[in-house]
Amino acid sequence: NAGVTQTPKFQVLKTGQSMTLQCAQDMNHEYMSWYRQDPGMGLRLIHYSVGAGITDQGEVPNGYNVSRSTTEDFPLRLLSAAPSQTSVYFCASSYRMVGGYTFGSGTRLTVV
Amino acid sequence: QQPVQSPQAVILREGEDAVINCSSSKALYSVHWYRQKHGEAPVFLMILLKGGEQKGHDKISASFNEKKQQSSLYLTASQLSYSGTYFCGTEPPGGGADGLTFGKGTHLIIQP
Repeated sequence: NAGVTQTPKFQVLKTGQSMTLQCAQDMNHEYMSWYRQDPGMGLRLIHYSVGAGITDQGEVPNGYNVSRSTTEDFPLRLLSAAPSQTSVYFCASSYRMVGGYTFGSGTRLTVV
Repeated sequence: QQPVQSPQAVILREGEDAVINCSSSKALYSVHWYRQKHGEAPVFLMILLKGGEQKGHDKISASFNEKKQQSSLYLTASQLSYSGTYFCGTEPPGGGADGLTFGKGTHLIIQP
């Protein structure tokens, strides 16, 4: 099993550009979430999903969209990148919180 | 609202004990604990589901006081490998369908 796979690992965007951060898991987990991590701020929830076709907003959703068409995939879209979105992004999945969340290796995004 | 972790940082000698606290202003369904090493993804340590429940993982254990909305992580006879940043993540009543809310983290440095 690969676990949670995030691509790309690094990305540099120009202000105003859009892009999609990919996240895929092969553990048949129902719950998936996106977090951003900034120095001194911990992990902040952007969007989450409890199953295919169901998504909702977390603490910091502005500027981001998600969709969940399959159990395995949960992409995060940046609509119009801003320097404030410079961060490390983590995707995580869980089987109904029973075993906690498994995190992907992260995407380090820089917006210039 | 993020749970509050204390202390923000701890420096220990190998073999010493440490306690990390996590406190929430809201009622909790459960508390998760994760460890993150520099440049890596957070790794799940344990979840506490019931008030007063204690769990252990090697020489790392935790307690959860549901009434006080607090959890503590205990690291006994610390090893060099315990170094990293520890995060608590909380779930509101109703379960984990809404994702976790993380504290800002506690930096733990173990010196030989």
